[in-house]
Parts: sequence; C-alpha cells; structure tokens
Amino acid sequence: RKEVEQDPGPFNVPEGATVAFNCTYSNSASQSFFWYRQDCRKEPKLLMSVYSSGNEDGRFTAQLNRASQYISLLIRDSKLSDSATYLCAIRGLGNEKLTFGTGTRLTIIP
Amino acid sequence: DADVTQTPRNRITKTGKRIMLECSQTKGHDRMYWYRQDPGLGLRLIYYSFDVKDINKGEISDGYSVSRQAQAKFSLSLESAIPNQTALYFCATSQGFGSNQPQHFGDGTRLSIL
Repeated sequence: RKEVEQDPGPFNVPEGATVAFNCTYSNSASQSFFWYRQDCRKEPKLLMSVYSSGNEDGRFTAQLNRASQYISLLIRDSKLSDSATYLCAIRGLGNEKLTFGTGTRLTIIP
Repeated sequence: DADVTQTPRNRITKTGKRIMLECSQTKGHDRMYWYRQDPGLGLRLIYYSFDVKDINKGEISDGYSVSRQAQAKFSLSLESAIPNQTALYFCATSQGFGSNQPQHFGDGTRLSIL
C-alpha cells in the first residue's frame, strides 16, 4: 500500500457545484496534513493546513478522519479558477519529510 | 520577487553532461529540499538539508548530489546526466521548528536530457 493515495481523477464539475475528494494515508502516526494546489507546469502552492478539528478557509473546507486515516478537501461554489491538480501532503510523527500524493485533477466546466 | 528562486528555469542538455541546478531563498528558513516530479509519480524527494552542514538522502538520491553553501542556498548536481533524469525539479523550504510547518516551493526547473 502506498503511504499516501489519491484518486487521480479527473473530476469534471460544473461551475457553482460542490466537489470533494479524499486522500488516504497508511501511517497511523501521521501528524501533519496539508493540501496544495498545483496548476499545470507550475509549482505546488500551499492551499491550507488540515487541523484535527477541521478547518475552513472561504469556500474550502478541510477535514481529518484519523480513525479511517484520510483527509478530505471540499470546495463549495466552485469557480473556473479552481481548475487545478490538488495534492495532499502528510508528515509522520518524528519524520521531518513530507510525503505527497500524486494529486487529483479537477476541471471546472462553465 | 519570489521567496524561493530556482535557476535555470529550463535546461536542455545531452547525456553525460554535468548539470547544476541552483536554489536560493529569502524566507530565512533553515530547511531546504529538492524534489523531482514525473507524470503519474508525483513529487519524489531527492535530498534535503536542515542547515549548512547537514545533508540527507531522500528516496531517489542515486545519480544526484547536493551542496548547502549557505543557509539561503541549496544546489543540486547531476554528475553525468541520463535521459531518465528528464523531469520537473522543485526546490522547497520550510521553517525549522514545529511539526506543522508546510513547505514552500520554487518555480521549478524543467530539465530535458537528450
């Protein structure tokens, strides 16, 4: 089993819709969780950290489910500009390295 | 100006050549990382450094070497480039304290080995 897994998609979603995707991880001792956004041929940019109690930033909501070992990202009222690949990144307890998922590709359709 | 700067942005070279990719940062972060990204494989860690005298291998360090000349600079070398090292390379930085520190990426270097 991979350390971090994501559904590669693509997710094709109409503008204004709500979309959610998950990222599963295998190390139950994982401690830090992040979502990044990557546009085509560009660098990953931090979208948001994921906190144990869940957190929200505008239209974006991130949640952590430790029991089932996954994090999720929900995007409400999706915009054309949300089209990108979304990467999850996870750091294990005592491990200084981030492990990245391969990303979920999202396309918002007008 | 970008906080994490990579040079060159694009490079095409031939098999067997020595290549150096440079990364500099103005964020004041202690930790620096080199990744490569390939389609379908995601980001893979090549080397990382926690300070000037610290070098650590990542998951795919074979064929690569690094140098941390100063806190702000971290260079990646391909001693004798081969075609399967064709990829998009990213440098990243993070703060040195707290487990919940994210990494911040440079613009990337697109490297093609012919």
